[in-house]
Amino acid sequence: DTGVSQDPRHKITKRGQNVTFRCDPISEHNRLYWYRQTLGQGPEFLTYFQNEAQLEKSRLLSDRFSAERPKGSFSTLEIQRTEQGDSAMYLCASSLRVGGQEKLFFGSGTQLSVL
Amino acid sequence: QKEVEQDPGPLSVPEGAIVSLNCTYSNSAFQYFMWYRQYSRKGPELLMYTYSSGNKEDGRFTAQVDKSSKYISLFIRDSQPSDSATYLCAMGESGGKLIFGQGTELSVKP
Repeated sequence: DTGVSQDPRHKITKRGQNVTFRCDPISEHNRLYWYRQTLGQGPEFLTYFQNEAQLEKSRLLSDRFSAERPKGSFSTLEIQRTEQGDSAMYLCASSLRVGGQEKLFFGSGTQLSVL
Repeated sequence: QKEVEQDPGPLSVPEGAIVSLNCTYSNSAFQYFMWYRQYSRKGPELLMYTYSSGNKEDGRFTAQVDKSSKYISLFIRDSQPSDSATYLCAMGESGGKLIFGQGTELSVKP
């Protein structure tokens, strides 16, 4: 499978616990994005990387959220001290920027439920 | 006011109908426009990508962009039950992130 891969597909956790999600992008893509989507809403931008550099982080992103992309390959998104409001689908996307044009390809997401 | 507005529907049409989905936006800096299709519990799938005003056709799908009116549309001809999904418009500036609409839920009845 050469698409964007996310793990786990589902995560159930108790409030206050830490969780970590992993994303493996399409191998030749140099940009990687994290989005969050709640029921009935479109994806909301969280952060993105170009290679290993984190270029932008949403102002709405709490300090409890941190993302890394070591060596410009896979990425992890960690949420510390989870809250019920963190329950959502966390989507990863990768892209290759060519000549000013860029197309994002999404994974199937990680569905987080905080009890 | 949101940067991208999209009617959430739901929209229900009979098989074979022409479907029109629309989004408006407020940011004049948006340069490229996309339509994604999302099935339940799946990630968004890229359908159409446009970079300028005008029409772009791909099979049964036509994307239309009117930058002067800040309005984009997706038309689906000869709609099929397999087209039942949520359709998301998305747009971006010259670099990086996309801003998504709320999504329109479409149901095509056999």
